Amino acid sequence: DVVLTQTPPTLLATIGQSVSISCRSSQSLLHSNGNTYLNWLLQRTGQSPQPLIYLVSKLESGVPNRFSGSGSGTDFTLKISGVEAEDLGVYYCMQFTHYPLTFGSGTKLEIK
Amino acid sequence: QIQLVQSGPELKKPGESVKISCKASGYTFTDYAMHWVKQAPGKGLKWMGWINTYTGKPTYADDFKGRFVFSLEASASTANLQISNLKNEDTATYFCAREFITTSFDYWGQGVMVTVSS
Repeated sequence: DVVLTQTPPTLLATIGQSVSISCRSSQSLLHSNGNTYLNWLLQRTGQSPQPLIYLVSKLESGVPNRFSGSGSGTDFTLKISGVEAEDLGVYYCMQFTHYPLTFGSGTKLEIK
Repeated sequence: QIQLVQSGPELKKPGESVKISCKASGYTFTDYAMHWVKQAPGKGLKWMGWINTYTGKPTYADDFKGRFVFSLEASASTANLQISNLKNEDTATYFCAREFITTSFDYWGQGVMVTVSS
């Protein structure tokens, strides 16, 4: 199974600060069709996860453009340019390239 | 608007069975696959598998083969998850999630908390 390792496990940020979360895969997420199926999700406390980014860098509908994704192969990054209070929660990367689908262990974003 | 509405919380004893439903609305149910995701208390997300809502064919992750069954009531736009011979480690929140053409989970149910305790 593909293992996704997220760092850091916890992130403490002030409002307006820019932060990054890393997601490293145990194998390449480049599919034979040329797509890289790496997504990012946010789970606020007590809520269902919500999608943020798909195909490494494409924003889901309604997601603010302070969120951005980048990376390729096995190394991926989620960046929040100017954290807002509503951004707190746990961020997960997940891969859709290989079965079984797998999630990262999560990064908890806390606001100072 | 698109919604996935799941059934309510369940309290069961070890060895019992439970059936969780996920009712979809706002789109054509059979156009998009439905996945199931487990989240144990205080833990991360674990993919359980998915069901082809057009053919009804389920696919299970290895850890969810045997006691777990995905099924459909397509006429009711509903996907179901049944867990038999419940164990303490089945205590978790179970989410259904729609797979969109972007190969992402664009809509999620609110989750069903299943508690297994004697």
